[in-house]
Amino acid sequence: AQSVTQLGSHVSVSEGALVLLRCNYSSSVPPYLFWYVQYPNQGLQLLLKYTTGATLVKGINGFEAEFKKSETSFHLTKPSAHMSDAAEYFCAVTATNTGNQFYFGTGTSLTVIP
Amino acid sequence: SAVISQKPSRDICQRGTSLTIQCQVDSQVTMMFWYRQQPGQSLTLIATANQGSEATYESGFVIDKFPISRPNLTFSTLTVSNMSPEDSSIYLCSDSRRGQGEQFFGPGTRLTVL
Repeated sequence: AQSVTQLGSHVSVSEGALVLLRCNYSSSVPPYLFWYVQYPNQGLQLLLKYTTGATLVKGINGFEAEFKKSETSFHLTKPSAHMSDAAEYFCAVTATNTGNQFYFGTGTSLTVIP
Repeated sequence: SAVISQKPSRDICQRGTSLTIQCQVDSQVTMMFWYRQQPGQSLTLIATANQGSEATYESGFVIDKFPISRPNLTFSTLTVSNMSPEDSSIYLCSDSRRGQGEQFFGPGTRLTVL
């Protein structure tokens, strides 16, 4: 079975500061991992994904995440926060052999302070 | 990327009525999914809809309450039946495209039940 834990339902950072959103997963098979962003009153947009290969993946809007198997983590980072980054962020996992059943974390709301 | 549209984008409905939400995707896909996102919550999978077969419902969701149609490879509908205020949520559809791993999401339908 798969599951996702996002530590911190609310994160606040100052504009220009490092953004770190935490995601830990549980999976009995090699996972595919994703970060989605949801802006107010919008659907979900894919930020980045890890399937196989390089464990440091780069996404849109300057975000990146690193798959650490030993820590079962897939934390999302951005070196310098921008006001436009304020949104809800969801980590998700799917197993490679179960036909795309996705499991979402509870989400982290990011506030950027000017 | 993918283009997925939903109709209506939002609606306000009376208790006891039903609403059908339409989801149109821009490419033929085998698997489509329907999610519910209650206010301030993460996404909960309602059902998986494969073309040519009955939808598969997750625990806590039943066909009588959330009937789903999947008449072809680019279209699906979700009906929320006999609505109550507890059904007030955002309903999102998504699809899964072979070889890409991720799910692509529609913009969501914001439903308020009075």
